[in-house]
Amino acid sequence: GAGVSQSPRYKVAKRGQDVALRCDPISGHVSLFWYQQALGQGPEFLTYFQNEAQLDKSGLPSDRFFAERPEGSVSTLKIQRTQQEDSAVYLCASRFQPGGPSSYNEQFFGPGTRLTVL
Amino acid sequence: DQQVKQNSPSLSVQEGRISILNCDYTNSMFDYFLWYKKYPAEGPTFLISISSIKDKNEDGRFTVFLNKSAKHLSLHIVPSQPGDSAVYFCAASAPTSGSARQLTFGSGTQLTVLP
Repeated sequence: GAGVSQSPRYKVAKRGQDVALRCDPISGHVSLFWYQQALGQGPEFLTYFQNEAQLDKSGLPSDRFFAERPEGSVSTLKIQRTQQEDSAVYLCASRFQPGGPSSYNEQFFGPGTRLTVL
Repeated sequence: DQQVKQNSPSLSVQEGRISILNCDYTNSMFDYFLWYKKYPAEGPTFLISISSIKDKNEDGRFTVFLNKSAKHLSLHIVPSQPGDSAVYFCAASAPTSGSARQLTFGSGTQLTVLP
């Protein structure tokens, strides 16, 4: 399909384990976002890439969270030493262009990865 | 501090009637507002948006109204259909975030359209 894909769809980890979540954005999309959605809440911004450059990581909750997009397409969100409070759905979104200060274009979301930390 | 608030966690409407979903925001820097629809086990899907220079945008059965002075927006669905049953998220973005323009979301409203 032509949409944003994420894998795995579900991940169960024991507390203290490291996990890696993958995002395949829509081909040609410059911008890529990661969001975290806790149960009963809306998605919250984690980090933003423009091509391979991570321009904003202000939403990452701790230094256990790390994201990369080395070739400007696929991105990986890594969580080290997972904690129970990391349990959430992790959403990836892509956008065709960067959003300038005076312009906006739509973000397309993947289905998310539901992470459960036991 | 929630910058985008959806105070109604749920709403039930009869098929064929109007659904009105509400959203309030506190950040006066927001200049673009969006509504996303989410089905279970799927990612949010873009529905409709509005720029702060407008007060209304219409797309088929969906209309978004923006009241900047009240920092309030609403989504109207007319007529409502059972397939509209989903969680609706209000979201906003600000130019102060530079090229990111990341979205700030409300907590969502579960709409149930009864046949």
